[in-house]
Amino acid sequence: AQKVTQAQTEISVVEKEDVTLDCVYETRDTTYYLFWYKQPPSGELVFLIRRNSFDEQNEISGRYSWNFQKSTSSFNFTITASQVVDSAVYFCALSEVEAAGNKLTFGGGTRVLVKP
Amino acid sequence: DTEVTQTPKHLVMGMTNKKSLKCEQHMGHRAMYWYKQKAKKPPELMFVYSYEKLSINESVPSRFSPECPNSSLLNLHLHALQPEDSALYLCASSQAPGTEAYNEQFFGPGTRLTVL
Repeated sequence: AQKVTQAQTEISVVEKEDVTLDCVYETRDTTYYLFWYKQPPSGELVFLIRRNSFDEQNEISGRYSWNFQKSTSSFNFTITASQVVDSAVYFCALSEVEAAGNKLTFGGGTRVLVKP
Repeated sequence: DTEVTQTPKHLVMGMTNKKSLKCEQHMGHRAMYWYKQKAKKPPELMFVYSYEKLSINESVPSRFSPECPNSSLLNLHLHALQPEDSALYLCASSQAPGTEAYNEQFFGPGTRLTVL
C-alpha cells in the first residue's frame, strides 16, 4: 500500500523567511508520480508540480523549488522569501495508476502560516 | 477553459433530504473523480469515472450515488445522509487513461456540505 508522510503539521514563519516542507513516501511501484498541491482557505486544491519517478532533476519555479531524492524517498518543497499569500495548507501526494483508474494518496498536509 | 466548476458552493441539508452536487469540466478530460475532505484532513478518494463508466468505488456507503451523464458532467446524489457526512466535497478531472498527463488531476473549488 502507498503512503505519504508529511511530518510537519504546522509551520509558522515571518514574511521573507524561507520555509521547507518535508514529504516522505512509500510505494512498491517502479513508476509513480509525485505532486504538491496548495489549499488556501477558500478550499480549492491548486496544482503546483508533478514529478515522475524517473526524473530526479530538481525544479525551480519563481520562489518555489522542489528537491526529489529517490534514494531517501523524499520530495521536499521550499518556499523562498515567503509572503503572506503563501499561507495555506500544502499537500504532498503520490499517484498510483491502476488498471481501474488513477488514485491519489495524500499526505496529512502541512499548514503554513506566514506572518507579516 | 481550464477549470473545474462545482455547484452549489455551500449546501445545508437534513438527514431526510435528497440533494445533488454537480461538477463540470470543459477541458476534454475523460476521467473524473469525487473526493471527500473532512476538516483538517487530506482529501480521500470516493469514486473514479473513466470514459463515463464507474471504475473505482472506494467502499462508499450507498447513500452517496455518483452519476456521469456525459464526459463533461459528474453528479453526486445524496440521500439519507448522516451528520458525520458533513465535509468539503471536491471534484477533479484528468486526461484520458493511458496518457502521460493522466496523473495530473485538476480540482474544483468544492461544495461545503453540512448535514443537520
